[in-house]
Amino acid sequence: ETGVTQSPTHLIKTRGQQVTLRCSSQSGHNTVSWYQQALGQGPQFIFQYYREEENGRGNFPPRFSGLQFPNYSSELNVNALELDDSALYLCASSSYRVDTGELFFGEGSRLTVL
Amino acid sequence: EDQVTQSPEALRLQEGESSSLNCSYTVSGLRGLFWYRQDPGKGPEFLFTLYSAGEEKEKERLKATLTKKESFLHITAPKPEDSATYLCAVHGGATNKLIFGTGTLLAVQP
Repeated sequence: ETGVTQSPTHLIKTRGQQVTLRCSSQSGHNTVSWYQQALGQGPQFIFQYYREEENGRGNFPPRFSGLQFPNYSSELNVNALELDDSALYLCASSSYRVDTGELFFGEGSRLTVL
Repeated sequence: EDQVTQSPEALRLQEGESSSLNCSYTVSGLRGLFWYRQDPGKGPEFLFTLYSAGEEKEKERLKATLTKKESFLHITAPKPEDSATYLCAVHGGATNKLIFGTGTLLAVQP
């Protein structure tokens, strides 16, 4: 059983640019959640996708958007990057919506915005 | 507003020195409280889910307990490999998100 994989692992962008982060969910999982983790903080919920539909969103502006594909992989897109977007972006998959609580996290994509 | 507070922020223990980490929470309609472990540069790893006050879960040297206002993660006779950040999260109300605390950074010295 393959785990959650994310790409790229590290990237550097400049303010105003756009970025796309990718996530392959664990085999058999149909729900993907994205979290942002700033240095020294806990993860903050961005949004969740269930069967290709957005299924909940945190307090993030519309320039944070996402997609889930038929194979349940997912993308996180961030437009008009700001310095405060520098963080570890975590993807988590699960078999159901978060009621089960057991999220399987990838190792994250470390984004630095200069 | 749903909130999770973890204490202490950091804890240094000698190998074999037992201790507890605290997670206090306010949430409307708790649907679950979760403990995760996070190693540097990695994603969180699921440890436990607790659903109701009085519930306890154990795994090796770790035991998690839950009351109506807080949860404790007890670490018995820790080893250096237990060093990590321990995150607490709650799921409440009608949302599909976990609300995480800022974590406790545990360092166990040999």
